[in-house]
Amino acid sequence: QKEVEQNSGPLSVPEGAIASLNCTYSDRVSQSFFWYRQYSGKSPELIMSIYSNGDKEDGRFTAQLNKASQYVSLLIRDSQPSDSATYLCAVYNFNKFYFGSGTKLNVKP
Amino acid sequence: EAGVTQSPTHLIKTRGQQATLRCSPISGHTSVYWYQQALGLGLQFLLWYDEGEERNRGNFPPRFSGRQFPNYSSELNVNALELEDSALYLCASSLGRATDTQYFGPGTRLTVL
Repeated sequence: QKEVEQNSGPLSVPEGAIASLNCTYSDRVSQSFFWYRQYSGKSPELIMSIYSNGDKEDGRFTAQLNKASQYVSLLIRDSQPSDSATYLCAVYNFNKFYFGSGTKLNVKP
Repeated sequence: EAGVTQSPTHLIKTRGQQATLRCSPISGHTSVYWYQQALGLGLQFLLWYDEGEERNRGNFPPRFSGRQFPNYSSELNVNALELEDSALYLCASSLGRATDTQYFGPGTRLTVL
């Protein structure tokens, strides 16, 4: 079992819709959770981090963490074509970082 | 402010050779992380250096090694190269805590023939 699992997609949503990206992790004691965006041919960049159960909002982005279900998600409201990228979920656990293989998001104009 | 830089951009080696990849962190950052991004496998954590010390390493064989210099730049060495080592190697830097934002460099594309 992989430490972090993501649906590879592609996830296609129309412009203006809500995109929902999901991630599950295997180690119950994982401590910190991150969402990165990676445009094709570019390096990842951090969008959000979340450490405690519940929701964390930053502009059009909301990260949701449910430690009991070992589940973290990212919601993108009012999706724009510029949001089209691969979204990587990452988990920090005992001085190591584990990344999912990413979900490719396509936002259609 | 300059971002994370990596050199070389591309590196072509043959099986059995050694590769050396270099990373310069953002000024003021003390932590350097190395990741391997192979096609279809996502980012794999390789090494974490902070203040000159190795904090941890991922599940990679010992032929992957590195070091961090007093100026916080870092080097990744891969010995006895194998074909499956072909990947994009990304370096990131941060202020040092695990919760600090990691800023990634542009990567070094290693091709093993």
